[in-house]
Amino acid sequence: EAQVTQNPRYLITVTGKKLTVTCSQNMNHEYMSWYRQDPGLGLRQIYYSMNVEVTDKGDVPEGYKVSRKEKRNFPLILESPSPNQTSLYFCASSLYTGTSQETQYFGPGTRLLVL
Amino acid sequence: KQEVTQIPAALSVPEGENLVLNCSFTDSAIYNLQWFRQDPGKGLTSLLLIQSSQREQTSGRLNASLDKSSGRSTLYIAASQPGDSATYLCAVNDYKLSFGAGTTVTVRA
Repeated sequence: EAQVTQNPRYLITVTGKKLTVTCSQNMNHEYMSWYRQDPGLGLRQIYYSMNVEVTDKGDVPEGYKVSRKEKRNFPLILESPSPNQTSLYFCASSLYTGTSQETQYFGPGTRLLVL
Repeated sequence: KQEVTQIPAALSVPEGENLVLNCSFTDSAIYNLQWFRQDPGKGLTSLLLIQSSQREQTSGRLNASLDKSSGRSTLYIAASQPGDSATYLCAVNDYKLSFGAGTTVTVRA
């Protein structure tokens, strides 16, 4: 089954404790991205990657890191989480035509609470 | 910067009525536009993708139109059902996806 998986689905942590949210897709998609969703602010892109070893900042990259060592995986790293990073996080993937992405497939989401 | 607006923010209709959801965007230089459905606490499911060269796209009871020059798209859902209750998001792709805030739909049985 074609899918995007994220782990963990729920996470409670404390300020400053490094964490990683994993994302994996099995559709051989070039393009992967991370979003956060907050009430009243909608979905905002954190980072995106157009292929292996190619990543770039989205709209709200501060406090986050990513890496793309393999095509299927795109982990999101919070080196020193803070309470304002409490949010619902989504990973997404799509084919990339060279000029634009095609249909985006989203993971189920990771709900993060930073105390 | 691309701004995407969805009106109304919420909509409640009786079962069987047709739904009309609106999306407007400020920069018409787009590659495509997607409509998504999101159920509470869940991820997003892609409903329709319209390329910039297309005027509309249909899937079952869903029909989406695109008027790129005026910066508008409309999602029509025919003969609504309680199972259509969800939040509907439009996303515009210029070089990245920009999302609207969504329209939350309630279909009353």
